[in-house]
Amino acid sequence: EVQLVESGGGLIQPGGSLRLSCAVSAFSVSSNYMSWVRQAPGKGLEWVSAIISADRKYYGDSVKGRFTISRDNSKNTLFLQMNRLRAEDTAVYYCARHDSGGPLYGMDVWGQGTTVIVSS
Amino acid sequence: SYVLTQPPSVSVAPGKTASITCGGVNIGSKSVNWYQQKPGQAPVLVIYYDSDRPSGIPERFSGSNSGNTATLTITRVEAGDEADYYCQVWDTSSDHFVFGTGTRVTVL
Repeated sequence: EVQLVESGGGLIQPGGSLRLSCAVSAFSVSSNYMSWVRQAPGKGLEWVSAIISADRKYYGDSVKGRFTISRDNSKNTLFLQMNRLRAEDTAVYYCARHDSGGPLYGMDVWGQGTTVIVSS
Repeated sequence: SYVLTQPPSVSVAPGKTASITCGGVNIGSKSVNWYQQKPGQAPVLVIYYDSDRPSGIPERFSGSNSGNTATLTITRVEAGDEADYYCQVWDTSSDHFVFGTGTRVTVL
């Protein structure tokens, strides 16, 4: 069964760092575009970052320069390294797989999400 | 950056038709995807590439896209369709994925 399982969320102080993981099952993390999407409490969906290849990574304006997306093909896992965290980064973070057709075809598999709370 | 605008809410009686719009500059030239999100759950893709349905999504869900507006239509609305709905595109000019503001569908 195709599955994405996020982990690594928690309570962190402003300015701190956190690394999220997304364990992938039943397909290769390197075979599809993969994204991180977040949702602040009571708010809508916000795309955070996407990885297409080792040298093709994209970031939303609010996280560029602070967050880094990566993947470990041997562990079949997607990561999001989050540095210099701010209160406004508080959200549920989802990893999502893009359809094999590419970026035009939507995110067809989602994880259950992991919660990040940035607060002192 | 590219902006997608949706009405905050749509109300519809059971058995009737709900239409949810997604406005964006020349959105007709882009591929639009739609997601359904129920409380406490992850989003689910219900329409991709403007009007295609993933397997398992009822035929009651359909999509269209032209000019500056894309539309998700739900016919014969059921209580289980009550959820938040989001449109989404890939903006090639910025290499950003963009979500719409979201629409809450309430079944009366």
